[in-house]
This record gives sequence, C-alpha cells and structure tokens, in this order.
Amino acid sequence: KQEVTQIPAALSVPEGENLVLNCSFTDSAIYNLQWFRQDPGKGLTSLLLIQSSQREQTSGRLNASLDKSSGRSTLYIAASQPGDSATYLCAVPYTGRRALTFGSGTRLQVQP
Amino acid sequence: DTGVSQDPRHKITKRGQNVTFRCDPISEHNRLYWYRQTLGQGPEFLTYFQNEAQLEKSRLLSDRFSAERPKGSFSTLEIQRTEQGDSAMYLCANDFIAGPQETQYFGPGTRLLVL
Repeated sequence: KQEVTQIPAALSVPEGENLVLNCSFTDSAIYNLQWFRQDPGKGLTSLLLIQSSQREQTSGRLNASLDKSSGRSTLYIAASQPGDSATYLCAVPYTGRRALTFGSGTRLQVQP
Repeated sequence: DTGVSQDPRHKITKRGQNVTFRCDPISEHNRLYWYRQTLGQGPEFLTYFQNEAQLEKSRLLSDRFSAERPKGSFSTLEIQRTEQGDSAMYLCANDFIAGPQETQYFGPGTRLLVL
C-alpha cells in the first residue's frame, strides 16, 4: 500500500526566504508525482507534475525535484511571499491506477 | 478556477438524513474522481469513473455511499443515513484521457457538516 509523508507539517518563515518542502513515498513504482496548493476552505490547485522519467520541473519561483529510487520529492520555493501562504500537498497515483494518494500536507505561513 | 464545479458548496444536515452532491466536470469525455478530505489531512480517494463506467471504489466507500455518472457527464455522490463521521470536504476531480500530463483538476469542494 502506498503511503505518502510530508515534512514539516507546518512552517512559518519571514518574507523573502527560500524554503524546501519534503515529500516521501513508500512505493517507488509511480509514473508521476504532483504538487498541489490548497487555500483554506478551497479546492486544490495543481502546481507541478513530474513524470517518473523526469528529475525536476520548474514553474516561476517553484522547482520540484523527484528521486524515484529513494522515494523522495522536494518542492523548492524561492523568495517566498505572503501570497504563498497555503497548504502544499504532494500526491502520487496508486500503483497501476489513476487515483491519487496524498500526503497530509505542509501548512506554510509567510510573514510580511 | 479550474472549470470543475461542485454544488452545493456547503451542506449542514442532521444525522440520519440523506444528502446528494453534484460535480460538473470540464468535459464529458474524461475521468472523474471523488475524494474526501477531513481537517488537517490530505484528500482520500473514494471512487472514479471513466465516462459512465465506475471503474474503482475505495474501501472507504461504505454501503451508505453511492455515486453515479449518467451519460458520462456530471456525477452525483449520495450519502444515505448520514453519520457525524461523514463530516468532511468532498472533492471532485477531473482529468483528460490522453490529456496533458494527466494533471487532475479539482473542483472547489462541498463541505458537509453532520449534526
């Protein structure tokens, strides 16, 4: 059974800091990994999707890396802003299936 | 706004009542997923459809839960005889068969509170 863990559970940083969010998964037989953002009481917004054959993906100030063999992914946020405050979730498909298994998320607060 | 809509956005009901949620996906010809999310946790998979066929159901989907997707368009999730433990956010997601990178697009969710 696939399990996804995210560390830390919560993070508070001053504006402008670079930060790293961690995601680990137990079954490396994945074919992609997605990072999502969730604002309080809202749905999920897809940030980045990394295919299993890729090592990283970048979008603006976000960079996600994937090390499938070790079961790890990181989301790097450069020059954090108060608008980045949200919960960040990583998710992988069930092995051989389409449905996603999610971590519990990292709740990020960026202080102005 | 991802283009996936859900209705209602909030629902308060008393224990024992039945509730039904609706999801309207971006397009008819695609996969549609239902997830449940409780406070402080990530979403958990409930079931998914490819067009009108329900292809997979999680063990979380007890006999009190039923989902339909008539004609492969919108989908409904019904919970019968609600219990307080059913209180959660119910999320619908949508992805495209052979679409760009199989990204799942989520709706805004329906927040259910069972009193």
